[in-house]
Order: sequence, then structure tokens, then C-alpha cells
Amino acid sequence: EVQLVESGGTFVQPGRSLRLSCVASGFSFDDYAMHWVRQPPGKGLEWVAGINWDSFLVHYADSVQGRFTISRDNARNSLYLQMERLRPEDTAVYFCAKDKGGSVFFYFDSWGHGTPVTVSS
Amino acid sequence: IELTQSPGTLSLSPGERATLSCRASQSVSNNYLAWYQQKPGHAPRLLIYHAYSRATGIPDRFSGSESGTDFTLTISRLEPEDFAVYYCQQYGASPLTFGGGTKIDIK
Repeated sequence: EVQLVESGGTFVQPGRSLRLSCVASGFSFDDYAMHWVRQPPGKGLEWVAGINWDSFLVHYADSVQGRFTISRDNARNSLYLQMERLRPEDTAVYFCAKDKGGSVFFYFDSWGHGTPVTVSS
Repeated sequence: IELTQSPGTLSLSPGERATLSCRASQSVSNNYLAWYQQKPGHAPRLLIYHAYSRATGIPDRFSGSESGTDFTLTISRLEPEDFAVYYCQQYGASPLTFGGGTKIDIK
């Protein structure tokens, strides 16, 4: 059974940094692309960033380009999101999601339960 | 690619048919469009991919179709567990994008 467990979400002040983690199990992590998707309170889903199996392909949403960095450690079955210069509009539940594909991006066939990030002074 | 979902809310009764629309601002390569269901406090669940194909374990009352840049999710007969929010997502081009969602609530 695929399991994705996020951690690292917390309350943080604007301008600060935060690192989210996602530990995967139940599948061959290094065969699949992975993503972060976020959902602000009471709102819809927003794709944040994706990384393919070998980290060669990395894409970001315009809203986080230059501030967020997605990375992975295949040896640890782990996905990360380093978030810098956080803004109040980054407040959301952050989901880790497994892609159906490996080399390029497709759809998300498994999701974690999410970790909440609140950016406020 | 911007995705516009309509209606925002659909009020229906169990047993009724639900038709949800997702319109793309431009052509979606290879009909690379997926549908997800999300219930309050839960992660989204994949329903449909490649516009038409049902994900593993999804009942056949859920079906997807497309006509050009218009995509449709149909639920043939609503079950009590189907009342939720539904999102479309395109993966034909980066950045990947979601529609704003359609909520199906009980009439």
C-alpha cells in the first residue's frame, strides 16, 4: 500500500523559512516523479512544484518560483520542499503527491494527508 | 492552461445524475486531463485520468468525456458518498493546473 507522510508544517512569521518533508513507502520511490500541491483554507488546489525520478526535471508554479525549492533523496525515500521568504498567501495545507509517471509529469495517483503551514505575524 | 469549472455548486438528490464541466483556455495535449474527488478534511482522490479512464477501484457510475477544450465528469446515479468537491487538472503542459472545483451538495 502506498503511503505518503508529510511533516514540517507549522506557524511561521512572514519572511522566514521552512522545510517540509514527505516520507514514502509501499512503492519504488525512485521510479516515480513527485509533487507538492497546496490548498489554502477554504479554497481549491494549487500545484506548487514537481520533480521527476532522477531530479533532472524540476518545475515550479509562478507563485513560488525563486522562493521554493523541491528536492528528493531516493536513498531515503523522501521528498522535500524548502520554502524561503514566506508570505501570508503561502498559508495552506501542503500535500505530497505521487505521480503516475517517472520521467515526465502526469497525474497524481496517491496523496498524503497534508501538513498545515500558517504564515502570519 | 487555465481550467474553468462549472457550476460552482450543484444541488442534487441521491439517485440523480450529475454533470460537471471543465473548460480549458487552450487545447490540452493528448487529452491529459484528470478528475479528483475531495471530501472535507481529506486528501483528494483520483477518479479519472486521460479524460476517460477510470482509476483503480473507481465505480463505473463515474465517467469522463471530452469535446475539444470541454471536459465533462458524469456521475450517473449519485450515491450518498458522492457528495463532495470535484477538481479537474491538466497535465498536458507545465505548469500543471487545477480548476477551481465544483461542489455537489445534497438538495
